[in-house]
Amino acid sequence: DGGITQSPKYLFRKEGQNVTLSCEQNLNHDAMYWYRQDPGQGLRLIYYSQIVNDFQKGDIAEGYSVSREKKESFPLTVTSAQKNPTAFYLCASNRRDGNQPQHFGDGTRLSIL
Amino acid sequence: KNQVEQSPQSLIILEGKNCTLQCNYTVSPFSNLRWYKQDTGRGPVSLTIMTFSENTKSNGRYTATLDADTKQSSLHITASQLSDSASYICVVVRADSWGKFQFGAGTQVVVTP
Repeated sequence: DGGITQSPKYLFRKEGQNVTLSCEQNLNHDAMYWYRQDPGQGLRLIYYSQIVNDFQKGDIAEGYSVSREKKESFPLTVTSAQKNPTAFYLCASNRRDGNQPQHFGDGTRLSIL
Repeated sequence: KNQVEQSPQSLIILEGKNCTLQCNYTVSPFSNLRWYKQDTGRGPVSLTIMTFSENTKSNGRYTATLDADTKQSSLHITASQLSDSASYICVVVRADSWGKFQFGAGTQVVVTP
């Protein structure tokens, strides 16, 4: 079955530590996205990528970094500069042509130790 | 101010009953409007996508309507089932800003036996 796999499901970060969230898709989609979801708020865009080796900042990119070295992979690093990292992180992808639905992974829940 | 407002914030309905969720938006220029269903601890799943020229679209027991003139949409759930318990998210896509989707905060629906 095609889909998006996020790992780990749960992640804990210590003070001053960088952590990396994995996102892999086998849907052959060009576009990939990272969102942050907090209680009572809509999803907020962290970074997105339309094509390999290119990515753009979203609305809340500070304290995060990404890479897009392969079409199927779009890892997100939460750096120590992100002072409030506790949230549910969602990765998504879609085809770039037309009004295509976004496909989402099942998320990673990040907490501070 | 969020450009996509959903109401009610939450609702409880009896199994077998119908309900309607509302979405008002100010996003402009408009490209399309989407409804997603998100189960607890999972990623959102697409229900419908409507463009400017479409005023209704169905997916099983889910029927979405769109009034682009008043910038309002609704999602109607018919004969609710326990599995309909979830958060329902309205998303509006701008026509001039690729990759940036405006998410509502969602309506939490609880279906009770």
